[in-house]
Amino acid sequence: GNSVTQMEGPVTLSEEAFLTINCTYTATGYPSLFWYVQYPGEGLQLLLKATKADDKGSNKGFEATYRKETTSFHLEKGSVQVSDSAVYFCALTGRVIQGAQKLVFGQGTRLTINP
Amino acid sequence: GAVVSQHPSRVICKSGTSVKIECRSLDFQATTMFWYRQFPKQSLMLMATSNEGSKATYEQGVEKDKFLINHASLTLSTLTVTSAHPEDSSFYICSARTQGRGTIYFGEGSWLTVV
Repeated sequence: GNSVTQMEGPVTLSEEAFLTINCTYTATGYPSLFWYVQYPGEGLQLLLKATKADDKGSNKGFEATYRKETTSFHLEKGSVQVSDSAVYFCALTGRVIQGAQKLVFGQGTRLTINP
Repeated sequence: GAVVSQHPSRVICKSGTSVKIECRSLDFQATTMFWYRQFPKQSLMLMATSNEGSKATYEQGVEKDKFLINHASLTLSTLTVTSAHPEDSSFYICSARTQGRGTIYFGEGSWLTVV
């Protein structure tokens, strides 16, 4: 079945550092790919998405490109801030259940940014 | 924006008792809701998918008699953990899918500790 593998955390960086969180996937067909972010004490929020090969999703300075040839969707940000500290989840759409597509998540990567 | 609220955010219960977790969509109607479980340092695992007014679809390996899901209205789904045991201690998170575009929003999650 479909699966997602994320870079293991935790990741600790200094403010203004460059961030990469790796995500690779296994899927049949052509899934959509997502990055979700979970700030402390809050639910998951959609950060960005890409629905087809070579698409680039971007939001709040974060970017990720759907690479079908390498089955990857790595998350990047050029200059991180303390407020980016959170847990990041890579996900893809899987099979349809009761008319809704199931999301398959990676294990999450905890990111801590130090001032 | 759309908000999904879970209650309680933290609950401690004794072994053998039942505990109910509520998931509410506060400003939209959700025909489909999802319940996930997250073990420490692991991914979110989908437990079940429910559509309002119909029986939930459980993922393989999830005991439907233990994890009772009720989606009685378009804004409320409940997860009841029956005869709880310490191994049921986990982080439970719900998501709700809007009608139309079908955007998914997550609740803030509920920590369950069974002692």
